[in-house]
Amino acid sequence: KQEVTQIPAALSVPEGENLVLNCSFTDSAIYNLQWFRQDPGKGLTSLLLIQSSQREQTSGRLNASLDKSSGRSTLYIAASQPGDSATYLCAVSPFSGGYNKLIFGAGTRLAVHP
Amino acid sequence: NAGVTQTPKFQVLKTGQSMTLQCAQDMNHNSMYWYRQDPGMGLRLIYYSASEGTTDKGEVPNGYNVSRLNKREFSLRLESAAPSQTSVYFCASSEALAGITDTQYFGPGTRLTVL
Repeated sequence: KQEVTQIPAALSVPEGENLVLNCSFTDSAIYNLQWFRQDPGKGLTSLLLIQSSQREQTSGRLNASLDKSSGRSTLYIAASQPGDSATYLCAVSPFSGGYNKLIFGAGTRLAVHP
Repeated sequence: NAGVTQTPKFQVLKTGQSMTLQCAQDMNHNSMYWYRQDPGMGLRLIYYSASEGTTDKGEVPNGYNVSRLNKREFSLRLESAAPSQTSVYFCASSEALAGITDTQYFGPGTRLTVL
């Protein structure tokens, strides 16, 4: 059964730091991996989607990598800002689940303080 | 363009009561999903609908029913609410053309408490 783990569960950093969030998954048979952002009391917003054939995706200050063979993904946030404070979730779309059925990690709660 | 909308935003039920959570999307998406999010856990898929007229079970379907009323609307019904169904419920949609995985768009959620 596919399981997704995110480490650390919470992270507090000063503004301006570069930081890395980690996501691991137990079964490499996936269609893709996605990173989402969730603000308190709000829904999820998709940040990056990496297809299984890709190694990384970039959007602005965000860069996500995927190493399918080792079951790992990282989300790199450059020059963090207080507005980046949110919970970040990763999710995989496993072969066994069928297209677009996502398995989520529990998330990393990020606080960026001025 | 409102995206994915959900009603109600908050609801308190007593054990055994029933209710329906409503979801609508205006992006002409084919697929729609219902998730629940519990503290300290990731979102878990309850039911999904790959296209109008079809529905399938996800990871945690017990105690729920769904209806894909039309292409825009996908409702989740709790027939006899239990305290274990206290959670935040999210609806999502995606274009999801056959054989293609793509981004899911989420609604703002419904916070449900069952006493």
